[in-house]
Amino acid sequence: SQQGEEDPQALSIQEGENATMNCSYKTSINNLQWYRQNSGRGLVHLILIRSNEREKHSGRLRVTLDTSKKSSSLLITASRAADTASYFCATGGGTSYGKLTFGQGTILTVHP
Amino acid sequence: EAQVTQNPRYLITVTGKKLTVTCSQNMNHEYMSWYRQDPGLGLRQIYYSMNVEVTDKGDVPEGYKVSRKEKRNFPLILESPSPNQTSLYFCASSRQRNTEAFFGQGTRLTVV
Repeated sequence: SQQGEEDPQALSIQEGENATMNCSYKTSINNLQWYRQNSGRGLVHLILIRSNEREKHSGRLRVTLDTSKKSSSLLITASRAADTASYFCATGGGTSYGKLTFGQGTILTVHP
Repeated sequence: EAQVTQNPRYLITVTGKKLTVTCSQNMNHEYMSWYRQDPGLGLRQIYYSMNVEVTDKGDVPEGYKVSRKEKRNFPLILESPSPNQTSLYFCASSRQRNTEAFFGQGTRLTVV
């Protein structure tokens, strides 16, 4: 099975609300990344958090990492209709040469 | 502009007719990889390359070939396509195996 498992599979909110997506993984990691994919298009890197970091911010994005629980969360504050997309977590293996493994993604719909 | 370029974007072909999907990156990245994306299965790695003339199998390599003769190019070859290879394909490059990945726009392949 995939290393990263996102929860929920789908999330529907109104503009202005916050969106929280979770990711769980099974083995040790070097880093955890979040990507965004607009329908049928290529993935775009959002943020990378290293295994020795607990929280990271980028604009309206906030990522947390709990290595003891093997989980991460992505928070998008003040969501906009343009945030509608699929969001994937990807775990980078436990060594610097460990490969990236993607989860199945969370489909976020933000209603105007 | 940093980018990964895939061609073609869309392709419909018949079973058994050899095809090549090209991928080129302009960031001098050493690591390149191919993924396929299928509903409910997320992104699965097909092949990857650590550098010129260094390639290896990913999670789902059966029915595919790759080559890395130049650093910037990493074509995906389907010698004898079958309908179960109908999918959305992505090429990606990164500085290292588990660092930020840059994705192409995708190739939607249909094998009839």
